[in-house]
Amino acid sequence: NAGVTQTPKFQVLKTGQSMTLQCAQDMNHEYMSWYRQDPGMGLRLIHYSVGAGITDQGEVPNGYNVSRSTTEDFPLRLLSAAPSQTSVYFCASSYSRGAITSDTQYFGPGTRLTVL
Amino acid sequence: DAKTTQPPSMDCAEGRAANLPCNHSTISGNEYVYWYRQIHSQGPQYIIHGLKNNETNEMASLIITEDRKSSTLILPHATLRDTAVYYCIVRSHTGTASKLTFGTGTRLQVTL
Repeated sequence: NAGVTQTPKFQVLKTGQSMTLQCAQDMNHEYMSWYRQDPGMGLRLIHYSVGAGITDQGEVPNGYNVSRSTTEDFPLRLLSAAPSQTSVYFCASSYSRGAITSDTQYFGPGTRLTVL
Repeated sequence: DAKTTQPPSMDCAEGRAANLPCNHSTISGNEYVYWYRQIHSQGPQYIIHGLKNNETNEMASLIITEDRKSSTLILPHATLRDTAVYYCIVRSHTGTASKLTFGTGTRLQVTL
């Protein structure tokens, strides 16, 4: 198993540009999520999904869109990048069935995004 | 979810046991204690979790006090590769989403 993969590893954008951060997992996990981590801070939840076709907002969703068309993929879209979105982005997945969720989350290696 | 309190930093000599404390005095009966760590520039890594009983796996041991208001993560023989930020998280297993709340954790520095 590859686990959770993220692409690209590094990206530099200009203000106003758009881009999609890719996240995929091969563990058949229902739950997937996106976090951002700013220097010296903990992780903050952006968006999450409990299964294909279902997404919801986390703590800091503004400026980001997500969709979940398959169990494996959970892309994060920046429609109009801003310098405040300069951060490291982590994708994670975990097992979830109905009312029982596992908090053993598996994280990807991260995407380091700089917005100029 | 219950709030946790951890010291911001700790040092440990290589080969010695590293004992990382966490206070979670408002924990409720159905909340588990989870530990993750984040090695520099990498994604967080799951270490261990427990509810009431002490737990041990190949990475670490988790000691939870009888009243469950605090816990200690033990790395029995710390190595330089254990230098990382360690996060203590308290979370219920019920609910339709697994929204972990990461604080700022404890930065463990293992030295020669």
